[in-house]
Order: sequence, then C-alpha cells, then structure tokens
Amino acid sequence: DSGVTQTPKHLITATGQRVTLRCSPRSGDLSVYWYQQSLDQGLQFLIQYYNGEERAKGNILERFSAQQFPDLHSELNLSSLELGDSALYFCASSAGGQTTNEKLFFGSGTQLSVL
Amino acid sequence: ILNVEQSPQSLHVQEGDSTNFTCSFPSSNFYALHWYRWETAKSPEALFVMTLNGDEKKKGRISATLNTKEGYSYLYIKGSQPEDSATYLCAFWDYGQNFVFGPGTRLSVLP
Repeated sequence: DSGVTQTPKHLITATGQRVTLRCSPRSGDLSVYWYQQSLDQGLQFLIQYYNGEERAKGNILERFSAQQFPDLHSELNLSSLELGDSALYFCASSAGGQTTNEKLFFGSGTQLSVL
Repeated sequence: ILNVEQSPQSLHVQEGDSTNFTCSFPSSNFYALHWYRWETAKSPEALFVMTLNGDEKKKGRISATLNTKEGYSYLYIKGSQPEDSATYLCAFWDYGQNFVFGPGTRLSVLP
C-alpha cells in the first residue's frame, strides 16, 4: 500500500458529461501529480501541484482542470467527456516539490470509461 | 517533445536467468532518471532515482546504472524469479521540468 488513496476506482459515464476524480496523498507529502494511461500509450503527465499551487503542467487538455486543497487532497475535473478520454488516471505524491530526486508514490488509479 | 525509449518492448526469460534492459533519453539538460516497477493490476512502484553520471543503484537482485553523457540507463535483474514479472518503466526529468515516462519493458519470467 503506497499510502495514496484514489476514488472512485471505477467510473462509467457518457460522452458530454463531467466527472471529478479525487486523490489523497501520503501523509506529509506536499506534491500531487496526475497521470493518464490510455491504451497503447505510456503514462502521460497531466499536471503537478505543490502545497496548493500549480507547479508543472504537461499535456493537459483545456477540458481538464485540477486543484489542490488546503488539506492537500487534489481533484481532477474532466468535462465535456469524449470517448477518447477513457483511460486509467493515476495520482501520485511526493514529499516536497523537488520531484527530480524524490520517488513518486502512486495510487491505485481510477478507471474511467466513457460510453 | 522529449523522447524516452525503452528496449526491448517485451522480454520472456526462464526462472534463474539474468536479464537487462535499456532506457534511452536525451543527454542534454539531464536532471534525473527514475525506474519504476509496475505489476499487473497494481500501481507503479519506485525502484531507483538516479541523478549523477556513473550512478549505480542496487536493491536486492535488481541494479541500475546511469550514463548521462550518452543518454542511457540499464536495469539488471540477476536470477530472475516469477515475482519479477512486471512492466519496468523509466522516467526522465530535464531542467525544463519536463517529466516523461518511457513506454516500458514488459518482463515475463517463466517458472
């Protein structure tokens, strides 16, 4: 158990809908990262938050947004969902903001299916 | 767009065999290289974080080396066991704060 909690584990929704994925980092970790794993794709970095502030941004679509709350949990909001958004979404956390030399601890992921 | 490559894509070995695979990354603006193990139905688990050219890390039967000048890292598994079956991912950080995962090497260890 990595200590990172993601909910829900599975989510089935329809095109055009909006969903929210939730992540609670390991106790004491300040950074949260979101990744997308699609079929035949590697882990794609979406966004990083450090202590409530956006730290780095990857290939995140404008229809997607995220935030990190004062209690350090994070939410990833996906709107106007398309079939291609179906993927496994991972959250990871690390102790500080210096991710380059800090291991990431991954949650178990949220499997999103858009029908 | 940063390109991180891993080879081979997949590998089947017999229990007891030693094996190794490669992660290739851009040699310029290197900051750090991470290795993760991802077992089926689980989440990726960190193995090593390497930051210095010539770094060697070891964890049990698994070890890794790093060559930042030529842009590659090797992961070695000595005496493979069925529980080593997993996808091994490398991830590259550069000074531009880009963090890119490679596509992974899928290892199957046959008993």
